[in-house]
Amino acid sequence: EPEVTQTPSHQVTQMGQEVILRCVPISNHLYFYWYRQILGQKVEFLVSFYNNEISEKSEIFDDQFSVERPDGSNFTLKIRSTKLEDSAMYFCASSVTGFYSNQPQHFGDGTRLSIL
Amino acid sequence: DAKTTQPPSMDCAEGRAANLPCNHSTISGNEYVYWYRQIHSQGPQYIIHGLKNNETNEMASLIITEDRKSSTLILPHATLRDTAVYYCIVSGGGADGLTFGKGTHLIIQP
Repeated sequence: EPEVTQTPSHQVTQMGQEVILRCVPISNHLYFYWYRQILGQKVEFLVSFYNNEISEKSEIFDDQFSVERPDGSNFTLKIRSTKLEDSAMYFCASSVTGFYSNQPQHFGDGTRLSIL
Repeated sequence: DAKTTQPPSMDCAEGRAANLPCNHSTISGNEYVYWYRQIHSQGPQYIIHGLKNNETNEMASLIITEDRKSSTLILPHATLRDTAVYYCIVSGGGADGLTFGKGTHLIIQP
């Protein structure tokens, strides 16, 4: 069964450094998403991406964050000048197509980001 | 904030059916009910979704009340591996970000 894959599984970065989290969505999916989960808290939506543009973003997704689909298979989340509070699990998800489609989002197993 | 209400925790004996309730009294006509689960800190796993008809797949059944204000996820023969946090989410689909609540922590007892 096709799945969303994320690399690396664990990333340790010094505060103030830039970090890029990578995701390979399911191949025929056209909508891509990033979520985060701070330890012990809820899963929070960050951003959705379709047709090379951000479709929707939450209040969390400020100028520190950016997303990109650099080629036909990868989807990345960049965090500039990381802060201690950016430490969390970051989940990538993808879904099929259709603006009013009811197709579910499928999640990867996440990247644990630790900011020192 | 999540548009759903779920009990914080439930127990179920292994081999029995686990019935997880969810209230979504403010659901809109075009919103679907989705169920996901999360085992430890793994990524949320899609289980099932529906609009107004009952649905069944290889993992579970979803029963939605006629007024669509509540639903029940049924795991027909629970195993220890079904111990997880289960999330009930309403969403219109498309590019909508999913709003996760705290979910129900289901513990399957041997």
